[in-house]
Amino acid sequence: DTGVSQDPRHKITKRGQNVTFRCDPISEHNRLYWYRQTLGQGPEFLTYFQNEAQLEKSRLLSDRFSAERPKGSFSTLEIQRTEQGDSAMYLCASSRIAGGPREEQFFGPGTRLTVL
Amino acid sequence: RKEVEQDPGPFNVPEGATVAFNCTYSNSASQSFFWYRQDCRKEPKLLMSVYSSGNEDGRFTAQLNRASQYISLLIRDSKLSDSATYLCVVKRGGATNKLIFGTGTLLAVQP
Repeated sequence: DTGVSQDPRHKITKRGQNVTFRCDPISEHNRLYWYRQTLGQGPEFLTYFQNEAQLEKSRLLSDRFSAERPKGSFSTLEIQRTEQGDSAMYLCASSRIAGGPREEQFFGPGTRLTVL
Repeated sequence: RKEVEQDPGPFNVPEGATVAFNCTYSNSASQSFFWYRQDCRKEPKLLMSVYSSGNEDGRFTAQLNRASQYISLLIRDSKLSDSATYLCVVKRGGATNKLIFGTGTLLAVQP
């Protein structure tokens, strides 16, 4: 399978614990995005990397959230001191630089986080 | 007010019906427009990009009205397999590459 992969697919944790998610983009894609989706809502942008540089961060990305893409390939998203409001689907997407409508973002299957 | 507004539905239609979804966006700096499809508990997938001239892909037609900041999607001859959530998506111009999603419109095609 050459699509975007995410691990784990499901994570249940207790409030206050730290969690880390991994995303492996499509191999030739140099842009990588993280989004969060809650029930009944569309995905909301969190952050975006071009190669290893983090170029944009949403105000949704509080200081408890950190994302890295150290070698410009896979990325990790860490949430520290989780809260019940962090429960959501965390989606990763990747794209190859093309610009405009030709640049399609391909989404991974997501990591569903439940904070008890 | 959300930057991209959609009627959440659900739209319940019989097989073979024609159904239209509408979407409005508030930021006039938006440059690129898309419809994504999301099946239940799955990831979003690009259905089609939307151009000012309008575009058609089989049973699907998308239109963009920049003056009214309005985007539409028309599905003709609905199939059971069209049942999904349809997400209206915009991207602003400039340095940002983030997609801004509407809440989605749920379509249920009935046999």
